[in-house]
Amino acid sequence: DTAVSQTPKYLVTQMGNDKSIKCEQNLGHDTMYWYKQDSKKFLKIMFSYNNKELIINETVPNRFSPKSPDKAHLNLHINSLELGDSAVYFCASSRRDGEKLFFGSGTQLSVL
Amino acid sequence: DQQVKQNSPSLSVQEGRISILNCDYTNSMFDYFLWYKKYPAEGPTFLISISSIKDKNEDGRFTVFLNKSAKHLSLHIVPSQPGDSAVYFCASNYGSSNTGKLIFGQGTTLQVKP
Repeated sequence: DTAVSQTPKYLVTQMGNDKSIKCEQNLGHDTMYWYKQDSKKFLKIMFSYNNKELIINETVPNRFSPKSPDKAHLNLHINSLELGDSAVYFCASSRRDGEKLFFGSGTQLSVL
Repeated sequence: DQQVKQNSPSLSVQEGRISILNCDYTNSMFDYFLWYKKYPAEGPTFLISISSIKDKNEDGRFTVFLNKSAKHLSLHIVPSQPGDSAVYFCASNYGSSNTGKLIFGQGTTLQVKP
């Protein structure tokens, strides 16, 4: 009965590859997010979607493309992976903008 | 330029005593503040929040204090329990209220010793 689930939990890949991280929430929330936790442990927002529409798009390289097929899913596709993309990526959702966020358990991405 | 700062990377307290975690912010536009708790290999979970119209909010053993003039907030845990051992993140809304665009501090690792 996981509220926000993301897969895979660990992702190890070579530079230049394309990879996707999937996220699903069963809370009935309207808004979903992707956050990135960098090597200094800061959590920074990347994107947010409200009911499948892009709301927030921070200064993220075009190689990162979120896709929301429905309001329960927000996937993150990354093209041409670079060493600096290594981080933990967290998906989150909230009932509406500004409500407290519910986070997934994270995806540890390691680019070699 | 980090707008939310948690200057203590770690804190160790004895079980039963008070834990005080501090957070400073620089942007006077911030009007909503939250604390999240994170265990290893899990995502952050919401703990407690406070709006800028208040200076204190209490929920069981957890109390958050906000000092707007000093741009400082603190989380008090009384009494501390071993299960409270985790990383605690302070976060704030950026700009207007009701946005999920949270600015997080870098976290403080709390260790509660039995």
